[in-house]
Amino acid sequence: AQKVTQAQTEISVVEKEDVTLDCVYETRDTTYYLFWYKQPPSGELVFLIRRNSFDEQNEISGRYSWNFQKSTSSFNFTITASQVVDSAVYFCALKEDTGRRALTFGSGTRLQVQP
Amino acid sequence: GAVVSQHPSRVICKSGTSVKIECRSLDFQATTMFWYRQFPKQSLMLMATSNEGSKATYEQGVEKDKFLINHASLTLSTLTVTSAHPEDSSFYICSATTGTHNSPLHFGNGTRLTVT
Repeated sequence: AQKVTQAQTEISVVEKEDVTLDCVYETRDTTYYLFWYKQPPSGELVFLIRRNSFDEQNEISGRYSWNFQKSTSSFNFTITASQVVDSAVYFCALKEDTGRRALTFGSGTRLQVQP
Repeated sequence: GAVVSQHPSRVICKSGTSVKIECRSLDFQATTMFWYRQFPKQSLMLMATSNEGSKATYEQGVEKDKFLINHASLTLSTLTVTSAHPEDSSFYICSATTGTHNSPLHFGNGTRLTVT
C-alpha cells in the first residue's frame, strides 16, 4: 500500500532563511506521481508541482526547488530566501498508476516564517 | 485552466440536520470525483471515490449511510452529511479528474462544516 511520510510536523524560520521540507514515500508501483501542495490558513489547496516517477530531474521554479531521489524514495522541497507569505501547511502526496487514482497525502508540515 | 467549484465554502448547521455540499467541474468532464475530510491540524483523508453513474466506493471506516454521495452527471457530485453531529465538524474538500490515470486532479476550495 502507498504511504507518504512528512516527519517534520512544524518548522519555524526567520525571513530570508532557506528551508527544506522532507517527504519520503512508499509504493510498489513502478509508475507513480508525486505532488506538493500548499495550504494557507484559508484552507484551499494550492498546487505547486507534479512529478512522475520516470523524471528524476530536479526542478526549480523561482524560489522553489524540488529534489527527487528514487534511490531514497524522497521528494524534498526547498524554499530559498523564505518570506512571511510562505507561511502555510505544505503537503506532499502520492498517486499510483494502478488501483485507486486518489492522492495519498502526507501528514503535512506547518511552516512559520517569522519577520 | 480547469476549475472545480465547491459550495458552500462555509456552513453552520444544528445537530441532527443534513447538509449538502456540491462539487462542480466547470470546464471539463469529471468521470471521477474524490471526497476528502480534514480535521483541524490533520492531513486530508480520502472518504470516498465516486464515478459518474455508479455507486461510490467508500474507504474503510466511512459510513456510507451517513455520507451520501451522488455523482449523477459528469460535472456534478454531491456529498450529503446526514443527521450531522458535532464530531462531523470538519473541512471537506473534493477533487475531480477525467478518466485516465495520467490526468491531473483538480481540487475545490473546500467546505468548512460546523455542527452546533
